[in-house]
Amino acid sequence: EAGVAQSPRYKIIEKRQSVAFWCNPISGHATLYWYQQILGQGPKLLIQFQNNGVVDDSQLPKDRFSAERLKGVDSTLKIQPAKLEDSAVYLCASSSLLGAVYEQYFGPGTRLTVT
Amino acid sequence: GENVEQHPSTLSVQEGDSAVIKCTYSDSASNYFPWYKQELGKGPQLIIDIRSNVGEKKDQRIAVTLNKTAKHFSLHITETQPEDSAVYFCAPAYTDKLIFGTGTRLQVFP
Repeated sequence: EAGVAQSPRYKIIEKRQSVAFWCNPISGHATLYWYQQILGQGPKLLIQFQNNGVVDDSQLPKDRFSAERLKGVDSTLKIQPAKLEDSAVYLCASSSLLGAVYEQYFGPGTRLTVT
Repeated sequence: GENVEQHPSTLSVQEGDSAVIKCTYSDSASNYFPWYKQELGKGPQLIIDIRSNVGEKKDQRIAVTLNKTAKHFSLHITETQPEDSAVYFCAPAYTDKLIFGTGTRLQVFP
């Protein structure tokens, strides 16, 4: 089966500009996650969707970050305006959560550099 | 919140040797204990996981052991190969919320 797709793979912007990332999860996966991975650290959850509803966005900096998952499939994550500390890899993951299985499948990530 | 630590932060071994990475966590409610491997430029990939009702699980050269009383679990890789070189993360979870550890960079030298 096809994996989680993300685009773009790399993005360089100046601070105060806006940027958007796109994710297409594995077909049939109802749950979608966005993570932020700062260099040298483990991924940190930003937001979790179940179908097209938000389950957890407690770690999302809502003054500048927004995310949506229209129609319960693709998702976009936006940053506006970007700050230097937003430089990181943004990972998308999906999960089917069938039964008690929690395995998450990750995409390759989008590496964002804010200058 | 959950506090997750990994040791060591870096590990260098000779090809064929064994490698062990330990993960300690603070939330006693955690019931799912996965290990992820992340290669350069790629997303994390699940390599093995264990649930709280099992003490050990093995898959070929990889094994995970769990000590719920002491709140730690370990990744064991035997007969290491150069392609095992990567960053490894533990991510203990309660329900479906993974809390990633600090990571361990494993280097396997030929």
